[in-house]
Amino acid sequence: QSALTQPASVSGSPGQSITISCTGTSSDVGGYNYVSWYQQHPGKAPKVKIYDVSKRPSGVSNRFSGSKSGNTASLTISGLQAEDEADYYCSSYTSRSTLVFGGGTKLTVL
Amino acid sequence: QVTLRESGPALVKPTQTLTLTCTFSGFSLSTSGMCVSWIRQPPGKALEWLALIDWDDEKYYSTSLKTRLTISKDTSKNQVVLTMTNMDPVDTATYYCARTRSSGGSCYLPDYWGQGTLVTVSS
Repeated sequence: QSALTQPASVSGSPGQSITISCTGTSSDVGGYNYVSWYQQHPGKAPKVKIYDVSKRPSGVSNRFSGSKSGNTASLTISGLQAEDEADYYCSSYTSRSTLVFGGGTKLTVL
Repeated sequence: QVTLRESGPALVKPTQTLTLTCTFSGFSLSTSGMCVSWIRQPPGKALEWLALIDWDDEKYYSTSLKTRLTISKDTSKNQVVLTMTNMDPVDTATYYCARTRSSGGSCYLPDYWGQGTLVTVSS
């Protein structure tokens, strides 16, 4: 199972919006609405920000939103804040009943 | 309150077998819909999903590592054990266990993670 494809890095200024893409295949991202997004700060465990493509866990800011079109899922963060600077990973369920992660995207808040 | 904690050796030699234990609380792996995953992350690199076990003792493995991995559970102790054979320096990573939620019988959402344990493979 190949890793999902994410841009290596994205950046934005405080207050701006950014979008991170996550491209897979019809056997994972495109085949199921089981796409999740994780935020990971250095030295910390990942935390789920979005699940089921677009749902937010309790306590997650509504500045985080998710969507999907075909084999590509997207995470949008609006109103960028310094605390959003972190690594972001997408994840998807697959046709083999396994999970696959993306290669990760480093978000820099300028 | 859901918590998970990984334990195991910090250092293993090449060719040895690694055994990691995930001890959890706040949920039961005998409850329908509950699963536990193992995920690793080499220093400075991406997350990699390794294996999963569900409430019904069904087990799933990464295709690329399937021949080296074994996952098992002890429901009475609230523990999940992962073994990985023939360790190599490229297996140096932080290993995480995570409670994984399911929908329609499919385990798909690692929602609570342990803090991770760094395993270094070196002679």
